[in-house]
Amino acid sequence: DAKTTQPTSMDCAEGRAANLPCNHSTISGNEYVYWYRQIHSQGPQYIIHGLKNNETNEMASLIITEDRKSSTLILPHATLRDTAVYYCIVRAYNQGGKLIFGQGTELSVKP
Amino acid sequence: EAGVTQSPTHLIKTRGQQATLRCSPISGHTSVYWYQQALGLGLQFLLWYDEGEERNRGNFPPRFSGRQFPNYSSELNVNALELEDSALYLCASSLRTGSQPQHFGDGTRLSIL
Repeated sequence: DAKTTQPTSMDCAEGRAANLPCNHSTISGNEYVYWYRQIHSQGPQYIIHGLKNNETNEMASLIITEDRKSSTLILPHATLRDTAVYYCIVRAYNQGGKLIFGQGTELSVKP
Repeated sequence: EAGVTQSPTHLIKTRGQQATLRCSPISGHTSVYWYQQALGLGLQFLLWYDEGEERNRGNFPPRFSGRQFPNYSSELNVNALELEDSALYLCASSLRTGSQPQHFGDGTRLSIL
C-alpha cells in the first residue's frame, strides 16, 4: 500500500511554477522521499529525492517540511512537456528494493 | 551516458506461450528491478536482482521468474501466459548502495491474444 497521499489532478499555466504537494504523515526516520514522473507510454523518469533537507537539481526543487510529514515538488517554469503523472514515493534503503507507486497526480500544463 | 534499455519494445504472444523480456542496466549499476504496469493499474513491483542473486520478489506467481547475468543485464521470463499478463513491463536499475534512485527504461509492451 502506498504511504503517500497526492491530489488526483492539477492544472498549471505554462511558464508558471507548478507546486505538487504530497502527504506522508507516517514516514519513518530512515525513509527518503522520491519523486518520479511518467509521460504517457514511457517509463517513469526520476526527478529528485531527499531525506530532510530541501534539494534542488536542474529539473526541480523538493521542499520537505521540518516534521517530514509532507513535501512539495516545485517545477519552477512549467512547460507543456511537463504534462505527466507525478508520483511521490517514500522508501528506506533497506526496504527490499521495491518502490510502491500510488495513483500520483496528473499534472496538466496549459498554454 | 546510455540509459536503461529494454527489448523488445513490443511482444505479442498467445495464451499458454512463454515470453522472455530483456533489460540492460545503466553502466555501473548492479541492481535491476522489474515492474508490471497493467492497464488501469499502478506499477507493481515484480523482482529485484543484485549481483546475480534474486533479492526480493513481489506478490506474483512462480511462473514469473528471471535472472541476472554476470554483466548485470537481466531477463524476465513469464511462463504459461494468461490474458491478464498483458501489460507494460518496466525494468529499472540503480547503484547498490544506500538511497540511490532507480532509473527506468521505457518498457516492453506484452500483449496476450
